[in-house]
Amino acid sequence: NAGVTQTPKFQVLKTGQSMTLQCAQDMNHEYMSWYRQDPGMGLRLIHYSVGAGITDQGEVPNGYNVSRSTTEDFPLRLLSAAPSQTSVYFCASGYIAGVLDEQFFGPGTRLTVL
Amino acid sequence: DAKTTQPPSMDCAEGRAANLPCNHSTISGNEYVYWYRQIHSQGPQYIIHGLKNNETNEMASLIITEDRKSSTLILPHATLRDTAVYYCIVSYSGGYQKVTFGTGTKLQVIP
Repeated sequence: NAGVTQTPKFQVLKTGQSMTLQCAQDMNHEYMSWYRQDPGMGLRLIHYSVGAGITDQGEVPNGYNVSRSTTEDFPLRLLSAAPSQTSVYFCASGYIAGVLDEQFFGPGTRLTVL
Repeated sequence: DAKTTQPPSMDCAEGRAANLPCNHSTISGNEYVYWYRQIHSQGPQYIIHGLKNNETNEMASLIITEDRKSSTLILPHATLRDTAVYYCIVSYSGGYQKVTFGTGTKLQVIP
């Protein structure tokens, strides 16, 4: 199993550009989520999904969209990037929503918005 | 979810036990204590969790006080590879909970 994969690993955007951060898992997990981590800060939940076709907002959802058309994929979309969205983005998946001993994290995407 | 308080940083000599404290005075009866760690900006990694009783696995031990208001993660023989940020999180098990990680404790293992 590849586990949780994220692409790209690094990305630089200009203000106003759009992009999609990809996340995929091959463990047949129902639960997937996106976090952001700013320098010197903990992880904050952006959006999460408890299954295909079901998504919900986390702590900091503004500026981000998600969709879950398949169990395997959970892309995160930035429609109009802002410098405040410069961060490291982590995707996670698990069998059960919110059960932390079942959560597996990807390697992260480091995003810089100029 | 209950809030947790951890020291921002700690040092530990290689080969010695690392004891990382966590206060969670507002924990409710059915909330678990979880520990994760994050090595050098990699994705967080699950370590251990518990409800009331002390727990041990191949990575660490978790000691929870009788009143459940605090806990200690113990790495019995710290190595340089244990240098990481350690997060203590309190959360319900199961259900659609939105989990947030705090700022954790930066553990530096010294040769």
